[in-house]
Amino acid sequence: DAGITQSPRHKVTETGTPVTLRCHQTENHRYMYWYRQDPGHGLRLIHYSYGVKDTDKGEVSDGYSVSRSKTEDFLLTLESATSSQTSVYFCATDARGAYTDTQYFGPGTRLTVL
Amino acid sequence: DQQVKQNSPSLSVQEGRISILNCDYTNSMFDYFLWYKKYPAEGPTFLISISSIKDKNEDGRFTVFLNKSAKHLSLHIVPSQPGDSAVYFCAASVNAGNNRKLIWGLGTSLAVNP
Repeated sequence: DAGITQSPRHKVTETGTPVTLRCHQTENHRYMYWYRQDPGHGLRLIHYSYGVKDTDKGEVSDGYSVSRSKTEDFLLTLESATSSQTSVYFCATDARGAYTDTQYFGPGTRLTVL
Repeated sequence: DQQVKQNSPSLSVQEGRISILNCDYTNSMFDYFLWYKKYPAEGPTFLISISSIKDKNEDGRFTVFLNKSAKHLSLHIVPSQPGDSAVYFCAASVNAGNNRKLIWGLGTSLAVNP
């Protein structure tokens, strides 16, 4: 399994505050993803990156921004957190070396916005 | 519009028996299918996959069957073990511009009873 860590693992914040979640990988995978998981919605893609400084939007990108200044780090920022962004956030990576589409997931960050 | 559907939110089986998890899809352009397993408070982990050019792939106790004409795939676990109790996600992959897009089902919670 790819070495993927997420920090923090749990966070409680207030509406309107900025929040940054970090994903760190040690496998030198080119592709990185941010998902959110909510009951009744499964996994939904927020943003993804296909290289350093190369990012694109997913299906639920409103209210989120991302940055990737190094291969190993992918940051997800909520500029002004809202209660609707209470969720579990997963980071994933994909080597995309072989045509397998296999993604490797981090342990998740549980975010509560009060 | 749910392109990947797991119509059974939950499934309960006895240890040693077969578990069959089902997944239906609507997009005929999907060319790769994957199953992931997720334990509570952990990220999803890759379990098994199948290319659209095949109809069966087997890995130990896990077998995935693909019926393209019916747009249906299933995951068989034989024999089922208590450690298999988890949420199982079906995912399908398709070309999206110059990237690949992974579409997720909502998951099926499997309980294997001793």
